[in-house]
Amino acid sequence: QTVVTQEPSFSVSPGGTVTLTCGLSSGSVSTSYYPSWYQQTPGQAPRTLIYSTNTRSSGVPDRFSGSILGNKAALTITGAQADDESDYYCVLYMGSVVVFGGGTKLTVL
Amino acid sequence: QVQLVQSGAEVKKPGSSVKVSCKASGGTFSSYTISWVRQAPGQGLEWMGRIIPILGIANYAQKFQGRVTITADKSTSTAYMELSSLRSEDTAVYYCARTCSSTSCYTLMDVWGQGTTVTVSS
Repeated sequence: QTVVTQEPSFSVSPGGTVTLTCGLSSGSVSTSYYPSWYQQTPGQAPRTLIYSTNTRSSGVPDRFSGSILGNKAALTITGAQADDESDYYCVLYMGSVVVFGGGTKLTVL
Repeated sequence: QVQLVQSGAEVKKPGSSVKVSCKASGGTFSSYTISWVRQAPGQGLEWMGRIIPILGIANYAQKFQGRVTITADKSTSTAYMELSSLRSEDTAVYYCARTCSSTSCYTLMDVWGQGTTVTVSS
């Protein structure tokens, strides 16, 4: 079974730029997987950031952007802020089902 | 403004079943899809399955096939997720989420319930 892979953790300095990625244990991620990205803080439900590769959800600031980089989906945060410190999950469409990645814990320090 | 309100916390014995509800208010319930996602303590998100209420058709993650049943009652705008043969590993927060119905945005879950904690313990 194909696994959706994410970096377990990442750190970024305030004001810096970070790119989180979402790959497959076998194969490449393309726009046909309609990747989406979610942000979650402890005790809260996930919040939609990006869907269908690069469409920002309503109310999401433009410092969050999505793309395909090489063979992976990517979430880039520019001008990182303290409240960006969260868990980030990608999710891929895989033929009638969707699969979440394991998540990336982002630290801003 | 669509809101999803889930039923309260449950404590269950191993081997039993649990049924969690998700009631929608605002919007047109039958026009969208409802997904169920769970999160075990300290773990990531896990998609379990979804239903298209207007069609009554559900599909499930392979991991849960045969053990989960997702249904919807259009008359009360409520979706349900029933998980059987519970084991300790099923202890988790279970979320329902409104999901885009088109293939091109199947991964978009834009409105979430507040979550229901299910604890499986003898």
